[in-house]
Amino acid sequence: EVQLVESGGGLVKPGGSLRLSCAASGFSFSSDSMNWVRQAPGKGLEWVSSTSSGSDYIYYADSVKGRFTISRDNAKNSLYLQMDSLRAEDTAVYYCARTPNEDFWSGYWNWGQGTLVTVSS
Amino acid sequence: IQLTQSPSSLSASVGDRVTITCRASQGISSFLAWYQQKPGKAPKLLIYAASTLQRGVPSRFSGSGSGTDFTLTISSLQPEDFATYFCQQLHVFPPTFGGGTKVEI
Repeated sequence: EVQLVESGGGLVKPGGSLRLSCAASGFSFSSDSMNWVRQAPGKGLEWVSSTSSGSDYIYYADSVKGRFTISRDNAKNSLYLQMDSLRAEDTAVYYCARTPNEDFWSGYWNWGQGTLVTVSS
Repeated sequence: IQLTQSPSSLSASVGDRVTITCRASQGISSFLAWYQQKPGKAPKLLIYAASTLQRGVPSRFSGSGSGTDFTLTISSLQPEDFATYFCQQLHVFPPTFGGGTKVEI
């Protein structure tokens, strides 16, 4: 069974940093692309970042470019999101999501339960 | 690429046929996915490539369209289908989402 478990969320002051982790199991993590998607309270879904299986291709939303860094450790079956210079508008539930193989076009087949990031003084 | 979903919300009854539309600001071929999200839960993939039903998703869900106009149809609404539905284009980065359609009783 595919499982994605996010951790690392919490309350942080504006300008602060946070590192999210996503522990993956039940599939060949090193073969699949991975993504971060966020959802502000009561709002819709916003794509944040994606990485190919070997980190050769990495993409960011304009809203986080230069502040967030996606990375992965295939030996540990883990995905990360380093978030720096956090702003109030980054407050959201952050989901990691799996795309099988390198098929970015096929959508996000599995999602974690999400971790809440709150940016507030 | 912007995705416009309509309606933003709808009221329906069990057994009703429900259609949700998603319009892209430019052509995206068939690179569109549909997700269902229930309150407090993660989204769930229903359909990808515009019309391919994800494994395990009931056959009452169907998707159609290509280019700029897409539809998600629920042929006979069931109690567990009351949720919010999102479309997502995967033709180009950034892979944008529609604003969502809330299906209420």
